[in-house]
Amino acid sequence: KAGVTQTPRYLIKTRGQQVTLSCSPISGHRSVSWYQQTPGQGLQFLFEYFSETQRNKGNFPGRFSGRQFSNSRSEMNVSTLELGDSALYLCASSRTTVLDGYTFGSGTRLTVV
Amino acid sequence: DQQVKQNSPSLSVQEGRISILNCDYTNSMFDYFLWYKKYPAEGPTFLISISSIKDKNEDGRFTVFLNKSAKHLSLHIVPSQPGDSAVYFCAASIGSARQLTFGSGTQLTVLP
Repeated sequence: KAGVTQTPRYLIKTRGQQVTLSCSPISGHRSVSWYQQTPGQGLQFLFEYFSETQRNKGNFPGRFSGRQFSNSRSEMNVSTLELGDSALYLCASSRTTVLDGYTFGSGTRLTVV
Repeated sequence: DQQVKQNSPSLSVQEGRISILNCDYTNSMFDYFLWYKKYPAEGPTFLISISSIKDKNEDGRFTVFLNKSAKHLSLHIVPSQPGDSAVYFCAASIGSARQLTFGSGTQLTVLP
């Protein structure tokens, strides 16, 4: 079966610009979460969506936002990019309980210059 | 404040031997724990999980042990194989909240 698909794989943006990343979860998975991975901070939770509603949000500034569509696909947006936003952004989807684990995509590598 | 800690950044093990990866946590509210492995340029892959009502869970070569009083969990891989070489992350969650707090990872190298 198809896994979690994230597009684009790589992105280079200039400081001050905004960016939108896309995530298509596994068919049937209604929960989509986003994580940021950096060398200094590791893997950090951004937010989680279920049935188009944001259920949880991590400790990130309001420049980071997201949404989920009726087909469970999700997008995250980062406005007014800063150099420190350079990171690997990972999307994960899950079907039922926490113990089932989450299936992660390969991520979008964002570089802000 | 790191709520989930993996104090060993790296571990080398001979093929066929046991690999033991450790993880400590500080938040006593955590009640679900998961282990992931990650290869370069790929997202993390779910390995095994355990809830706080259990102290052990097995899946093939992978066993996770949970010591709630010590706020410690460990992942045992037996026997270790070269393909197990990857970064291993432990993660924790509170209740059904789908918000994972990750440790910093341990690079496991299995030597042939």
